[in-house]
Parts: sequence; C-alpha cells; structure tokens
Amino acid sequence: NAGVTQTPKFRILKIGQSMTLQCTQDMNHNYMYWYRQDPGMGLKLIYYSVGAGITDKGEVPNGYNVSRSTTEDFPLRLELAAPSQTSVYFCASSYDSGGGSTGKLFFGSGTQLSVL
Amino acid sequence: DQQVKQNSPSLSVQEGRISILNCDYTNSMFDYFLWYKKYPAEGPTFLISISSIKDKNEDGRFTVFLNKSAKHLSLHIVPSQPGDSAVYFCAATANFGNEKLTFGTGTRLTIIP
Repeated sequence: NAGVTQTPKFRILKIGQSMTLQCTQDMNHNYMYWYRQDPGMGLKLIYYSVGAGITDKGEVPNGYNVSRSTTEDFPLRLELAAPSQTSVYFCASSYDSGGGSTGKLFFGSGTQLSVL
Repeated sequence: DQQVKQNSPSLSVQEGRISILNCDYTNSMFDYFLWYKKYPAEGPTFLISISSIKDKNEDGRFTVFLNKSAKHLSLHIVPSQPGDSAVYFCAATANFGNEKLTFGTGTRLTIIP
C-alpha cells in the first residue's frame, strides 16, 4: 500500500522562485490537506479539500495555492518563494465518516523545503 | 494564540515504566481529541482518539484520559518500550467531522533501555 506519496523529499529554492509540491493518495479519500511544520511548532493547516474541485483556506494560506482536479492528487504551489516558507510540508488525507472527516489523518513522509 | 498546548518539549522514561504525556487546551468548543506519533523523517501516524462524551479510551498499551472541566488530556503508555521513542502530538477539533485539526507543539519521548 502506497498510502500518501509526496515528492520531492528535499528541495532548495532561491528567493522568488516557484515550485509545486506533489501529493497523491491511493486510498480514495475525499479529504486532503497540506500542513507545514516549523521547528518547535505544531502542524499548521495551509489548505484543505473536501473533494475534487473543492478547496478552502486553512490557518496559514498566504503565499500558497492549491488545486484538486482529481480525488487522488492535491498539489501545493508556492509562488515567489520567501525565507519564511522554509519548513517541512506534510500532505495528508482522511476518509469520510458519513458526517465529515474522521480526523484520523494519513500523512505523507514530508518535504523539507529551504528558501535561501 | 496556541489553543492546544504541550508544555513539556521532552520526556525520558525507563523501559517498562509508564509514560505520561500531557496536553492542555483553551478552546471550550473542542470536543474531539487525537494523539499522533511521529518518527524522524516520517509523517505523523494516528495513535488514539477520544470524544468529549467519554473520559477514557484504551487501545492496548495506550490510554487517553480526558478531563473536560480542566481542559486537559493525557496519554498513558504502559509499559513503555524502546519503539515508543518518538514525538507525540496532541490534536483537537470542534465538532467531529470538522476538517480542521489544531495541533500542539509536540513532546519528544525517549525510552531508556
């Protein structure tokens, strides 16, 4: 079982560059999420999606964009990278309990991003 | 404003003893709580959860206790094993089914053989 797959695992960007973090899941989960984790901090929600074609902002969406054209894929786009976006990024998914997300997230292994 | 707080950044416990990890929250709307475990270079994995209608939930060596009046929950691991060494995150949400989880900052647990 692949679960949630994120690519790349590591990336160094220069200030002002753009990139897309890829995320795909093979569990047919409706819900998908992007979190970032800064050193000594908890995970902060960037964007989430409740299904294909539907996305919404989380706690820290500025500087990011997402799209959800299929159930499987939920890429995260960074435009004009800034040093403040240096972080570890986690993609996650969860299944529908019938009344919303179960809260039991399945995470990818993360992308370590440095903006210099 | 940190709505979910894990005030102990680290904890060391002897193998075989009980590990107790604590979590406090400030938002009285939170009614569903989860614990996640994270190994280095991996994503967090779900461990155990509890609804506010309960004060205890048990799964093997792991038990979560919820004290709603104190806005406090704890994770007990008995007996502690070397494989339990990891970072543990507490998370909370308002209304089961809500997509948004609020995470604590984590506690690094080290089990000493």
